[in-house]
Amino acid sequence: GAVVSQHPSWVICKSGTSVKIECRSLDFQATTMFWYRQFPKQSLMLMATSNEGSKATYEQGVEKDKFLINHASLTLSTLTVTSAHPEDSSFYICSARDRQLGGNTIYFGEGSWLTVV
Amino acid sequence: DAKTTQPTSMDCAEGRAANLPCNHSTISGNEYVYWYRQIHSQGPQYIIHGLKNNETNEMASLIITEDRKSSTLILPHATLRDTAVYYCIGRPTNFGNEKLTFGTGTRLTIIP
Repeated sequence: GAVVSQHPSWVICKSGTSVKIECRSLDFQATTMFWYRQFPKQSLMLMATSNEGSKATYEQGVEKDKFLINHASLTLSTLTVTSAHPEDSSFYICSARDRQLGGNTIYFGEGSWLTVV
Repeated sequence: DAKTTQPTSMDCAEGRAANLPCNHSTISGNEYVYWYRQIHSQGPQYIIHGLKNNETNEMASLIITEDRKSSTLILPHATLRDTAVYYCIGRPTNFGNEKLTFGTGTRLTIIP
């Protein structure tokens, strides 16, 4: 099946610094990718929709200047958490759909753990 | 997307069939029923989806009631590796909609 990969799998950063998380579709092209956040023992919450070649669409309550999304190619979207704070510590997950297969299945990356200290 | 309701948790003995119910009484005619699972500290994994007919693949079977108001995911021979949170999601059939709304899911624990 289609594969979506994230990097890094986990990262620790200091408060006030920025950290970038990559989401790649390994064997298919994705014009749209989605970024989710998941706090411990909670469900996934959609943060934003990443659109190749255009601005991302953010869900209500998500600060676009804090969570910068770039979708520069058909296989890569990046999420940058700027001026990170401990409350940003979470599990970040991306997803994408393989349109080439003609199917309707969405695949998820392995997730990236962010710890802000 | 249709709102779905699932039991918070379930236990199942190893080797037995695990039957996970989902109510989606507000589902519309153009919404699929999708099932994903999330093993601890990993991204969600696609299991199966269906519209009207029952579906089966190498992982599971999906039984959808005739009125489409509920469905059951069946793992025929549960193993310890099937311990995970299982999400039932309603999703429009139009290919332009790739946004998934996750509920709280069912935490399935397989008992040795």
